[in-house]
Amino acid sequence: SQQGEEDPQALSIQEGENATMNCSYKTSINNLQWYRQNSGRGLVHLILIRSNEREKHSGRLRVTLDTSKKSSSLLITASRAADTASYFCATDATGSSNTGKLIFGQGTTLQVKP
Amino acid sequence: DGGITQSPKYLFRKEGQNVTLSCEQNLNHDAMYWYRQDPGQGLRLIYYSQIVNDFQKGDIAEGYSVSREKKESFPLTVTSAQKNPTAFYLCASSWGAGYGYTFGSGTRLTVV
Repeated sequence: SQQGEEDPQALSIQEGENATMNCSYKTSINNLQWYRQNSGRGLVHLILIRSNEREKHSGRLRVTLDTSKKSSSLLITASRAADTASYFCATDATGSSNTGKLIFGQGTTLQVKP
Repeated sequence: DGGITQSPKYLFRKEGQNVTLSCEQNLNHDAMYWYRQDPGQGLRLIYYSQIVNDFQKGDIAEGYSVSREKKESFPLTVTSAQKNPTAFYLCASSWGAGYGYTFGSGTRLTVV
């Protein structure tokens, strides 16, 4: 069962520009998380935002959460070539019986051109 | 250094053969998870375990089996009943609900 849908599927920008990725989900959540995956590698946890939070920052990352619209966005400011990767949102649904299991979206592939 | 180790990195399986993917963590995490990733797609949950000697099926458990005899280890067996096993397999661990995952570097399984 896929909970999150990311938009756009692919994004190509120049170094120094900002990149925005969106995630929509279907059911109520405890938290929403963003991960990065470099090609052929495991995922790396970027940021977790809880259902009672609206915005969170970590370095050049800014995440927003709108539970009324069941959507989240990830903004990467001043992008670098090293930011080139796939980005996934993942939701911990409230119906998951406190298991901590996450449902991942399809991902957005970001290419940052030098 | 604390982390989560998956082995082997690449694995080739013949038709009708069972294979076991290893996942070991030294982060003292209680929960461990197995996901499957197909090309260009997101991750789908196979099995997860919140404590030792207990595990639950995820969304696509058919054709797979797991064990959790030690807190550090959560091996995944891909059985001959799994008809389309070629995929990238990712193991993760966490403190449990409300925490992020730490992922291994993955095992790429190919049927030959």
